Amino acid sequence: EIVLTQSPGTLSLSPGERATLPCRASQRVSSTYLAWYQQKPGQAPRLLIYGTSTRATGIPDRFSGSGSGTDFTLTISRLEPEDFAVYYCQQYGSSPLFGQGTRLEIK
Amino acid sequence: EVQVVESGGGLVKPGGSLRLSCAASGFPFSNAWMTWVRQAPGKGLEWVGRIKSKTDGGTTDCAAPVKGRFTISRDDSKNTLYLQMNSLKTEDTAVYYCTAQSGYHLKYWGQGTLVSVSS
Repeated sequence: EIVLTQSPGTLSLSPGERATLPCRASQRVSSTYLAWYQQKPGQAPRLLIYGTSTRATGIPDRFSGSGSGTDFTLTISRLEPEDFAVYYCQQYGSSPLFGQGTRLEIK
Repeated sequence: EVQVVESGGGLVKPGGSLRLSCAASGFPFSNAWMTWVRQAPGKGLEWVGRIKSKTDGGTTDCAAPVKGRFTISRDDSKNTLYLQMNSLKTEDTAVYYCTAQSGYHLKYWGQGTLVSVSS
């Protein structure tokens, strides 16, 4: 079974800065199968990116996804106050499998 | 407007049963593969199980920790998904989310319903 590792577990940045959130898979993952979600406290996760780099409906263009093989990245070009949240990557083998998440906190 | 609304959560004793419901609207429910995802307090997301659309066979699959105890079903006439949970354990305590799968990602999510298993 493929394992997704998101490190660091917590990332401290300031509004206006660029955020780079990595997601590493233990085996090669098809780019079609890689998605990212955002979760704010007390809320359900929200789909941000699917197919490695396609933004979901209504997602601002400061969010972008990239990567291939075993290394994938979610980038937020310029952090807004509402972007501080937990981010999960997900890959789809026989079923969805999530990384453990990266908490993006205000520095 | 898409709406996904879970219900049925609550407090139950170990060994007990509970049935969650998920009412969906705003998208073609009968064509959707529906998935349950849970999140234990302070933890990450864990896939619980899935039911395919009837046109794709309507089969179900559950994660190893719940296999044999949890059953997923759907009523397309009511646009409703169900999760029957039996032989509940304390480690099943979590918020349970109903999601609609699109391709290889989870496109629509409900707000979740809390299941607490405790004596």
